[in-house]
Amino acid sequence: KQEVTQIPAALSVPEGENLVLNCSFTDSAIYNLQWFRQDPGKGLTSLLLIQSSQREQTSGRLNASLDKSSGRSTLYIAASQPGDSATYLCAGAFSGGYQKVTFGTGTKLQVIP
Amino acid sequence: ETGVTQSPTHLIKTRGQQVTLRCSSQSGHNTVSWYQQALGQGPQFIFQYYREEENGRGNFPPRFSGLQFPNYSSELNVNALELDDSALYLCASTQEFNNEQFFGPGTRLTVL
Repeated sequence: KQEVTQIPAALSVPEGENLVLNCSFTDSAIYNLQWFRQDPGKGLTSLLLIQSSQREQTSGRLNASLDKSSGRSTLYIAASQPGDSATYLCAGAFSGGYQKVTFGTGTKLQVIP
Repeated sequence: ETGVTQSPTHLIKTRGQQVTLRCSSQSGHNTVSWYQQALGQGPQFIFQYYREEENGRGNFPPRFSGLQFPNYSSELNVNALELDDSALYLCASTQEFNNEQFFGPGTRLTVL
């Protein structure tokens, strides 16, 4: 059974700080890993997608890495802003007949002005 | 905007009733997946459809069923609603060249 874990569950940082969100998974047969942002009561916004053959992806102030051997992915946010406050979810797609996607429980980020 | 739409936005039902939720995927995306997200939890995979056929299912009972249509629309049907079915229901369409998922805004279902 694939499990995806995110630690910490909540994080509060002052504006301008660089931060790292962690995601770990138990199945090394990962097809890809996707990071999402979710605002309260809303759907999920795709931030970055890393294929299993890649080590990292970057978009603006965001950088995501993937280490299949250790079962870890990180999302690095540079120069955090109050608008970054949201819940961040990682989701692993695992091989096996079809792409079953397993989500972590998320990290709730608050950036304090 | 992800190009994925869902209706209705909110829905209130009573225990035992049946509900149909709708999703319109991005044109050209042949795979649609449905998820249930309880408050404070990550989305849980319900099932996935590819070209109108179910090709994967999570740990949900048969009273959760679905349909996918040739025009990139799909439905999630839930029979015999239970209080625990109260959740945000999300659909996602998959971009085939890189398997990136794009989510709709969700339908908030409340079962009383």
